[in-house]
Amino acid sequence: QVHLQESGLGLVKPSQTLSLTCTVSGDSISNGNFYWSWVRQPAGKGLEWIGRIFIAGSTLYNPSLKSRVSMSLDTSKNQFYLKMTSVTAADTAVYYCARDREQVFLDPWGQGALVTVSA
Amino acid sequence: DIQLTQSPSSLSASVGDRVTITCRASQSISSGLNWYQQKTGNAPKLLIYSSSALQSGVPSRFRGVGSGTEFTLIITSLQPEDFATYYCQQSFSPLFTFGPGTKVELK
Repeated sequence: QVHLQESGLGLVKPSQTLSLTCTVSGDSISNGNFYWSWVRQPAGKGLEWIGRIFIAGSTLYNPSLKSRVSMSLDTSKNQFYLKMTSVTAADTAVYYCARDREQVFLDPWGQGALVTVSA
Repeated sequence: DIQLTQSPSSLSASVGDRVTITCRASQSISSGLNWYQQKTGNAPKLLIYSSSALQSGVPSRFRGVGSGTEFTLIITSLQPEDFATYYCQQSFSPLFTFGPGTKVELK
């Protein structure tokens, strides 16, 4: 059974960089059938897709976040990563990682990691 | 980008009721529409993909129909564990977008 788990600092200061890790178990991120995505959700609000990464290193980002977002992966650790620069309070949200089935659907999802941007 | 709207934004229903939620796309997305269920404090869970395909392990009371720009999630007989927020998501474009959600509450 595939399991994803987000980890990273829960509190980030404004203008600094948010960094999150997604650790995958039960599947290899080298599996060419899947992409790996990040989604976020501010408290009480809807879901926003941030972007995805593929094993070949190709990425696709939400145009609204593209200038501040980067994703990478480490096959030796079976992890993939999210970095978001120049954060503001508007970036406060629960961040989810998810397996992205050939750019069709997201399943499964990690449990989510709350990141708060505050001085 | 492709915009999705959902109606209603919330609804009240009783156990055993038939519930329908509509998702409309700003342009034709063929059958590239998925439905997720999110319970409070939990991650979203995939229910339906490609408009009408039931994800493994999801009860058959969940049904998806539609193509083009209009899609519907039907819960044929609402169960206590179905009270949640439901989101549609389009995959016609590789830039995924989600609908704003529909909250299903107990009447």
